[in-house]
Amino acid sequence: GAGVSQSPRYKVAKRGQDVALRCDPISGHVSLFWYQQALGQGPEFLTYFQNEAQLDKSGLPSDRFFAERPEGSVSTLKIQRTQQEDSAVYLCASSLENTVNQPQHFGDGTRLSIL
Amino acid sequence: AQKITQTQPGMFVQEKEAVTLDCTYDTSDQSYGLFWYKQPSSGEMIFLIYQGSYDEQNATEGRYSLNFQKARKSANLVISASQLGDSAMYFCAMREGQGTYKYIFGTGTRLKVLA
Repeated sequence: GAGVSQSPRYKVAKRGQDVALRCDPISGHVSLFWYQQALGQGPEFLTYFQNEAQLDKSGLPSDRFFAERPEGSVSTLKIQRTQQEDSAVYLCASSLENTVNQPQHFGDGTRLSIL
Repeated sequence: AQKITQTQPGMFVQEKEAVTLDCTYDTSDQSYGLFWYKQPSSGEMIFLIYQGSYDEQNATEGRYSLNFQKARKSANLVISASQLGDSAMYFCAMREGQGTYKYIFGTGTRLKVLA
């Protein structure tokens, strides 16, 4: 596709429910990142994929957060037993290569609200 | 630890004037990249400009330029001839030169262009 596509755009869930957020990166982009952006803050790193391999998950806040990219393209971020502090915008970004000078291209994000 | 600091929570500028958004960074890496992104109220992160740590000249992209002062560890964004459409959040980010190459973001500056 022309850009990074994320769905759903908005998600409302009750505390304790599981949610799944989808990211479809730019075609051919090897690297994929997930970030969490709390209200009024800058995005914070969650996890990174190189093709299908999850090379860094150091930013995942708890074991309730799980991400996968089984075929090296579409990625899913799953949050189990959601809590109110999980409310945030979840941004997905991809880049053609993973080098210091390559900009990451972001999707529009999924705004998650936990009631 | 790597860190990005944006000390201006909000800025106002008159239409057609220039404005400087401040960004300082802290890193022990020799190789790193500095990026600026624009985030309108709709939420997408739009890449504006990149500066590499070894670049000797300041980066420019149209109305955007980056005032890079390596010794002071600053990477200020200059927007010339401001337009109403420039009103948005602006984030400075650093990409480390090794490992995951993830972004570290500042807290952002909200720019309002006045007619």
